[in-house]
Amino acid sequence: NAGVTQTPKFRILKIGQSMTLQCTQDMNHNYMYWYRQDPGMGLKLIYYSVGAGITDKGEVPNGYNVSRSTTEDFPLRLELAAPSQTSVYFCASRPPGGEQFFGPGTRLTVL
Amino acid sequence: ELKVEQNPLFLSMQEGKNYTIYCNYSTTSDRLYWYRQDPGKSLESLFVLLSNGAVKQEGRLMASLDTKARLSTLHITAAVHDLSATYFCAEFNTDKLIFGTGTRLQVFP
Repeated sequence: NAGVTQTPKFRILKIGQSMTLQCTQDMNHNYMYWYRQDPGMGLKLIYYSVGAGITDKGEVPNGYNVSRSTTEDFPLRLELAAPSQTSVYFCASRPPGGEQFFGPGTRLTVL
Repeated sequence: ELKVEQNPLFLSMQEGKNYTIYCNYSTTSDRLYWYRQDPGKSLESLFVLLSNGAVKQEGRLMASLDTKARLSTLHITAAVHDLSATYFCAEFNTDKLIFGTGTRLQVFP
């Protein structure tokens, strides 16, 4: 199993550009999550999904969108990128009642 | 508001010494996680504490959970340089993990 994979690893965006951060897991986990981690801080939940077709907002959803059309994939869309979205983004997944596994992260800079 | 507080936020300790990191959380959750993060890396799961009074140990690290006090502790015994990292606790609440701000641990000779 590859576990949780994220692409790209690094990205630089200009203000106002859009992009999609990809997240895929091959463990057949129902639950998937997107977090952001600002320098020196903990993780803040952006969006999460309890299964295909179901998504919900976390603590900091503004400026982001998600979709969950399959169990495996949970892409995060940034529309109109802003400097405040400069962060490291982590995707995670877990089975019901189980432990959460994290992807390697995407480091995003918005200039 | 769901809140998880860790202290200290930064800990510089000498090799061979003992210390405890504290994690206070705000709800009646009975599931608490500890993670380790090395610089530039993702989070690595250390412990899952599933009930009041749970205690788990791995090497020089021991974690415990007191759900009545809403407190978890991560105790470090005889610290070594390899333990230098940032440690996060996270409370499980309604399908989600709420993370603390982390404790950055630096172990020096």
